[in-house]
Amino acid sequence: ENVLTQSPGTLSLSPGERATLSCRASQRVSNNNYFAWYQQKPGQAPRLLIYGASSRATGIPDRFSGSGSGTDFSLTISSLEPEDFAVYYCQQYGDAPWTFGQGTKVEIK
Amino acid sequence: EVQLVQSGGEVKKPGESLKISCKGSGFSFTDYWISWVRQVPGKGLEWMGRIGPSDSYTNYSPSFRGHVTISADKSISTAYLQWNSLKASDTAIYYCVRGFGDFDYWAYWGQGTLVTVSS
Repeated sequence: ENVLTQSPGTLSLSPGERATLSCRASQRVSNNNYFAWYQQKPGQAPRLLIYGASSRATGIPDRFSGSGSGTDFSLTISSLEPEDFAVYYCQQYGDAPWTFGQGTKVEIK
Repeated sequence: EVQLVQSGGEVKKPGESLKISCKGSGFSFTDYWISWVRQVPGKGLEWMGRIGPSDSYTNYSPSFRGHVTISADKSISTAYLQWNSLKASDTAIYYCVRGFGDFDYWAYWGQGTLVTVSS
């Protein structure tokens, strides 16, 4: 299976700062871009942010952007808002079994 | 409005059986794959498997194949996740999710069902 490794495990930043989260796949993701990012807050189901590596889901603010292809992908939050402090997961849906990264926690510094 | 509404939390003993449900509304249930995703409390997300839109074809993650069964009753727009013999390690929140056409990224999630297995 395609193992996804996220880094860093925890990101400590202040509101207004830029956040860059990384996800590396152990194998090339099919079509280079069958890749998604989710945000999860405590007690809530995950929320889709990005699909197709770089397409924002409906209703997602443009401060969230995704990039990458092949085995290296990233999620950037251009300027952190208070509601963005959460756990973020990457996911590949190119080759079954679909797999997730272990998560990156973005916490308030 | 697309909704996935899951059955309520369960407390079970090891060795017992269980079937939880996920009822879809606001879309044609026969047009979309439904997957199940596990989250052990405080841990990450794991895809368990999915059931196909029209013919109930199933795919399972190797990690879960043989331990759970995914099924559906399309006449009532409901998918199921079933165990014949629960283990303490099955304690987790289980989410049902809906894909987009042939693509398994998920904008629609159920509210989650907490299954607690304890003697």
